[in-house]
Amino acid sequence: QKEVEQDPGPLSVPEGAIVSLNCTYSNSAFQYFMWYRQYSRKGPELLMYTYSSGNKEDGRFTAQVDKSSKYISLFIRDSQPSDSATYLCAISGGKLIFGQGTELSVKP
Amino acid sequence: DTAVSQTPKYLVTQMGNDKSIKCEQNLGHDTMYWYKQDSKKFLKIMFSYNNKELIINETVPNRFSPKSPDKAHLNLHINSLELGDSAVYFCASSQPLGAGELFFGEGSRLTVL
Repeated sequence: QKEVEQDPGPLSVPEGAIVSLNCTYSNSAFQYFMWYRQYSRKGPELLMYTYSSGNKEDGRFTAQVDKSSKYISLFIRDSQPSDSATYLCAISGGKLIFGQGTELSVKP
Repeated sequence: DTAVSQTPKYLVTQMGNDKSIKCEQNLGHDTMYWYKQDSKKFLKIMFSYNNKELIINETVPNRFSPKSPDKAHLNLHINSLELGDSAVYFCASSQPLGAGELFFGEGSRLTVL
């Protein structure tokens, strides 16, 4: 079993849709939870970061962590074509372990 | 001014050759990394250096040899290239013992023919 599991997609939605991206992890010792966004032919960049269970909101983006279920989510409201990218969850328990990434396409 | 820069951006080479990728960061970070991203976008850590000292060495063939001449530079040399080495190699940096925010370069796309 991989330490971090993420559905690779691809996921295609119309502009304005609510997007839900999810990851599960296996090690309850993991402490920090992140979402990175990677545009085509670019390096990943940090989008959201949290270290506790619950929700964290930043504009149209909400990161949710449920430590009891070992489940993390990223919600994107009012999705825009500029949100089209690969989204990678990343979990840290000493070293950073990435999920496989979900490729998202938002169609105008 | 680019924070983490890697060269070259593209490499195309034949099996059996040796190649190097260079990385430099101007963020003042102590920790640098090499990650490999395969065709399915899976990003896997290979090596990590903290202030020139190797601290993470994942299960990577010993044909891959990292070298950190100082804490702002981390290079990757690959001997006897194989088809399976084709991937995008990302350099990254962070503060040590940080909460995990990595700053990535734009990647070096290696194609082995």
